[in-house]
Amino acid sequence: EVLVVESGGTLVQPGGSLRLSCAVSGFTVTNNFMSWVRQAPGKGLEWVSMIYSGGNTYYQDSVKGRFTMSRDNSKNTVYLQMNSLRAEDTAIYYCVRHFYDRSGHGNRAFDIWGQGTMVTLSS
Amino acid sequence: DIVMTQTPLSSPVTVGQPASISCRSSQSLVHSDGNTYLSWLHQRPGQPPRLLIYKISNRFSGVPDRFNGSGAGTDFTLKINRVEAEDVGFYYCMQGTQLPWTFGQGTKVEIK
Repeated sequence: EVLVVESGGTLVQPGGSLRLSCAVSGFTVTNNFMSWVRQAPGKGLEWVSMIYSGGNTYYQDSVKGRFTMSRDNSKNTVYLQMNSLRAEDTAIYYCVRHFYDRSGHGNRAFDIWGQGTMVTLSS
Repeated sequence: DIVMTQTPLSSPVTVGQPASISCRSSQSLVHSDGNTYLSWLHQRPGQPPRLLIYKISNRFSGVPDRFNGSGAGTDFTLKINRVEAEDVGFYYCMQGTQLPWTFGQGTKVEIK
């Protein structure tokens, strides 16, 4: 079964740091593009970051320089290191897989979503 | 950044009746590879989103055929032929043509 399970979300003070984890099963992070997407309470969806199968990473401007996405191939896990956290980073963080069809073509869409992990900024 | 604008923001519908959601992008979503990377997602209350449609009109695996996507360039539409009770929730369009990938603000579909 293909699964994505996020963890690490908690209550943290502004200026603090946090590392989110995304453990996957049923596929390998090495061979897939992965992203983090967040959703502030009662709000819409916002793409945060992505990591290519080759290891390149890309970020939303609002988190560039503060967030770092990485992966551990041996653990089949993706991470999001979040530093210098701000109130506006409060959100559910979803780990998502990029959709590749059976012919191997990328479709620039997200086909597998985890249940999300909640990050709350409060002093 | 490409801005995605959905209308309406709320759509009360009767079970069995059709529903339509529009999504407009601030610039063309045609990629240099010739594809248009516009997808639609559905999010039920308390659940993560799920993929419905990719590349404008392709239904994802397991998605009922009452969901249909269409459009081109900057104007796109999601139509639900006959709304069922399980279709309630928020619908989002998303563009994957240009970084940063961006979403529409969401359309709430509810049963009258």
